[in-house]
Amino acid sequence: GENVEQHPSTLSVQEGDSAVIKCTYSDSASNYFPWYKQELGKRPQLIIDIRSNVGEKKDQRIAVTLNKTAKHFSLHITETQPEDSAVYFCAAVQGGSEKLVFGKGTKLTVNP
Amino acid sequence: ETGVTQTPRHLVMGMTNKKSLKCEQHLGHNAMYWYKQSAKKPLELMFVYNFKEQTENNSVPSRFSPECPNSSHLFLHLHTLQPEDSALYLCASSQGAGTHNQPQHFGDGTRLSIL
Repeated sequence: GENVEQHPSTLSVQEGDSAVIKCTYSDSASNYFPWYKQELGKRPQLIIDIRSNVGEKKDQRIAVTLNKTAKHFSLHITETQPEDSAVYFCAAVQGGSEKLVFGKGTKLTVNP
Repeated sequence: ETGVTQTPRHLVMGMTNKKSLKCEQHLGHNAMYWYKQSAKKPLELMFVYNFKEQTENNSVPSRFSPECPNSSHLFLHLHTLQPEDSALYLCASSQGAGTHNQPQHFGDGTRLSIL
């Protein structure tokens, strides 16, 4: 089955800097990769997703890149703000199913 | 966003109690999910229902019993739980029904504590 590894587990940046979170996956049949943001005490919220037919997707300050050959994908947040502080989860869908496998999460702290 | 609502938000129960968690989605989706979120662990998928049919049981102990009476409602019946079952239980929904690779939308979860 699918295995998703996420790094780093914690990340601290200064406001205005960029943050990068990286994930690897094992199932070569995976073709959907969402990212979720979870603030303390709140639900995970989808912030961006990418499908295997594209290599990069951008939405304002957030971008995701996908390298299918290397089986890794990354989240890039530019011009970070204190409200970006949260736990971010990557996930990959197990090939041919609805089953999402999540990484362990990255706790991002943006210092003002 | 109140597309997926879960009740109760918090639940404290003894190991011999029986209780149920409820999830309702108002998004017109056909697939619903139960996840367990424990500290320092990834979100763990427990069950998947597609058009009321269970399509995934991720080796969940039988003390957790799901029920999906229709595409909008999902329950998780709890019986004789263990302290290690204390966690946040999240419900999610997606378009489902063979439309793969669609976003899953989460509820706020039920924080469960087993005494």
